[in-house]
This record gives sequence, structure tokens and C-alpha cells, in this order.
Amino acid sequence: QKEVEQDPGPLSVPEGAIVSLNCTYSNSAFQYFMWYRQYSRKGPELLMYTYSSGNKEDGRFTAQVDKSSKYISLFIRDSQPSDSATYLCATHPSGNTPLVFGKGTRLSVIA
Amino acid sequence: EAQVTQNPRYLITVTGKKLTVTCSQNMNHEYMSWYRQDPGLGLRQIYYSMNVEVTDKGDVPEGYKVSRKEKRNFPLILESPSPNQTSLYFCASRTTGDYGYTFGSGTRLTVV
Repeated sequence: QKEVEQDPGPLSVPEGAIVSLNCTYSNSAFQYFMWYRQYSRKGPELLMYTYSSGNKEDGRFTAQVDKSSKYISLFIRDSQPSDSATYLCATHPSGNTPLVFGKGTRLSVIA
Repeated sequence: EAQVTQNPRYLITVTGKKLTVTCSQNMNHEYMSWYRQDPGLGLRQIYYSMNVEVTDKGDVPEGYKVSRKEKRNFPLILESPSPNQTSLYFCASRTTGDYGYTFGSGTRLTVV
């Protein structure tokens, strides 16, 4: 079993829709959870970062971690065409350990 | 501007010809890392470094070398490139206590 599983999509939604992106992970030692956004021909950029369980909100974006079910989610409200990108979840057990990435979900928001 | 700079952005080379991809960061970050990104496989870590003169293997280190002689630089060396090393490479860095990496813009390498 891969350490982090992520549905690759592609996912296509109309502008204004609520988008839900998800990952599952296998290692209960993972404590730090991140979402990266990667536009075509660009490097990933950090979008959201959470520690342990709970929710974190930043504008239209909400990151959610459920450690009991080993489930990570990113919600995008009022999605925009500029949100069209690949979204990668990432995690690691502590600050001194390498990041483990999901394979990414490709999102298209259609105007 | 705080950034991670990789060079070159694009490179086509022949099998067996040694090459170096440079990576430099201007944020005084302790941690630096190299990833390769392939369709269907996602981002996989090649090597990482927790500080000067401290490097360790990631998930796919075979065929690669790195060095960390200075804090700001972390070059990736392919001593004898092969076609299976054709990929998109990213360098990334972060500081202690900050768990999100800053990525460079990528190097698209083709080995023929």
C-alpha cells in the first residue's frame, strides 16, 4: 500500500462550484499535512498547512484532517478558472523527515 | 525576492554524458531536497540535505549524486545519465520549524 493515496482525476467542475479534494494515508505517525498547488510548467507552491487533526481556513480554501480515519481533504469554495491546477497533498511524521506526496489531482474549473 | 533557482530549465543530453543541475536558494534555509516528477508516479524524493555537509538518500537515489558544501547551493549530479532519468526535476528548500517547502521552477531533462 502506498503511504499516501490520491485520486488523480481529472476533475472538471463549473465555475462557482464547491470542490472537494481528498487523500488517504497509511502511517499513523504522520502529523504534518500540506496541500500544494501546481500550475502547468511550474513548481508546486504551498497552499495550506495543518498540524494534527482539525480544520484550517484561508479565504476560499479549507483544509481538513481526520486522523482517526487517516483522511485529508481540501475544499475550495466558489471555484474560479484560476484554480485550475494540479493539487498535491503531502505529509510527514516530523520536521526532520522527508515529505511524502500524493500523486496529485488535476482540477479544471470551467467558466 | 525569496526564491529557489534551478538551472538549466531545459536540457537535452546524450546517454553517458555527465551533467549537473544547479540549485540555489536565497532564504538561508537549512533543508534542501531534490525531487523528480513523472506522469503516474508523482513527486519522488531523490536526495535531501538537512544542513551543510549532511545529505541522505530519498526514495530513488540510484544514478544521482548530490553535495552540500555551502548552505545556499545543492547541485544534483548525474554522472552517467540514462534515458530512464528523463524527467522533470524540482529542487526545494525550507527552514527549521517551517514544514512547507519552497520549490524551484523545475528542470525538464531529456536523455537520448
